[in-house]
Amino acid sequence: AQKVTQAQTEISVVEKEDVTLDCVYETRDTTYYLFWYKQPPSGELVFLIRRNSFDEQNEISGRYSWNFQKSTSSFNFTITASQVVDSAVYFCALSEEGTNARGNKLVFGAGTILRVKS
Amino acid sequence: GAVVSQHPSRVICKSGTSVKIECRSLDFQATTMFWYRQFPKQSLMLMATSNEGSKATYEQGVEKDKFLINHASLTLSTLTVTSAHPEDSSFYICSKKNKETQYFGPGTRLLVL
Repeated sequence: AQKVTQAQTEISVVEKEDVTLDCVYETRDTTYYLFWYKQPPSGELVFLIRRNSFDEQNEISGRYSWNFQKSTSSFNFTITASQVVDSAVYFCALSEEGTNARGNKLVFGAGTILRVKS
Repeated sequence: GAVVSQHPSRVICKSGTSVKIECRSLDFQATTMFWYRQFPKQSLMLMATSNEGSKATYEQGVEKDKFLINHASLTLSTLTVTSAHPEDSSFYICSKKNKETQYFGPGTRLLVL
């Protein structure tokens, strides 16, 4: 069965600090996708990144970076020089490949609340 | 990406009434859309997969007679919460898939009094 664990319930940092959000996943499949979504107070989920299981290259997008390590089943997310606008709930999620029922199911972690104080 | 809208954004109703939530795909046709529910301070849970022209597929534990899903067109899926009760108060959010990524609507906050 698929499972996503975000052990950090809540993190508070001061603006300009770097912060890493942890995500550990479980799956029996060899082909799968990992995601990060941001949910600001408005509630809408904003897609941040997708990674497939065959691509372990780290990715950087502006102040955001992601570290995917299959050996530890982790897909961690780092925000550099955090800003108040980064305050939100961040969800890590996992899905299998394909358009069948299993491929359509997105399994979410519990989420990590990030509070960035000025 | 993909653009998804939901209506209404917020609804308050009396216990026992039914509430319909619309989810629209604004940029391309979607034969499949997804309905999630999120209780306060919790994660999102998939309720059902909405299939255009056929019956929805419900997740285990979700009552199909209580949460009616209709996907009558390629751009619209509706979720009707029938005979709503206070425990149905939640944030309902729909999504659609573009390649392997699900993109979400803005969500509907339902409060049942």
